[in-house]
Amino acid sequence: DAKTTQPTSMDCAEGRAANLPCNHSTISGNEYVYWYRQIHSQGPQYIIHGLKNNETNEMASLIITEDRKSSTLILPHATLRDTAVYYCIVRVLGAGSYQLTFGKGTKLSVIP
Amino acid sequence: SQTIHQWPATLVQPVGSPLSLECTVEGTSNPNLYWYRQAAGRGLQLLFYSVGIGQISSEVPQNLSASRPQDRQFILSSKKLLLSDSGFYLCAWSVRGSRSYNSPLHFGNGTRLTVT
Repeated sequence: DAKTTQPTSMDCAEGRAANLPCNHSTISGNEYVYWYRQIHSQGPQYIIHGLKNNETNEMASLIITEDRKSSTLILPHATLRDTAVYYCIVRVLGAGSYQLTFGKGTKLSVIP
Repeated sequence: SQTIHQWPATLVQPVGSPLSLECTVEGTSNPNLYWYRQAAGRGLQLLFYSVGIGQISSEVPQNLSASRPQDRQFILSSKKLLLSDSGFYLCAWSVRGSRSYNSPLHFGNGTRLTVT
């Protein structure tokens, strides 16, 4: 799986948009970009994923650059409950490919 | 909606004792099931995955074993725990089938195991 690079930490004011960047310059054509988050002492929570096009769901938006070498996760209106470590992962899915390599992620702190 | 249950949430066991962690999934059929371990400050390590009842694949040699006695039940076991088995154990599921290539993993809340 391609390696990802994320900032170690970020702050965001409550109610503002949180924009979390991720670099994945070695991504290959069949690798998806996934975002998970982990609140302390809980299991990782799936947020969103995409291949080429921008994606949006009830939790967040995912913006993938045209060359696919980077992406941004957007939480449109951050709340205190969004404070967590956010992981960007790129992986190939398919038979036998179940490994999920989490890096150190970005610790997002939402400030009142 | 689908839910995944893991228990217990925390466990303290002495070295040499047996282990049994259980995971069940509700609201879906024929899921892929996974056991991961997360060491403090590190990423997730895939331990086992299963694509069906009785079908278990092991990713790393270790002191642990897994079983899937029912479609939505996944059990992690050990006959004799080692100190190095301490960690945060996570069960997860994903959709199986023709669309599994695009299916994210959904995790339980984990079991924090301390072997003393």
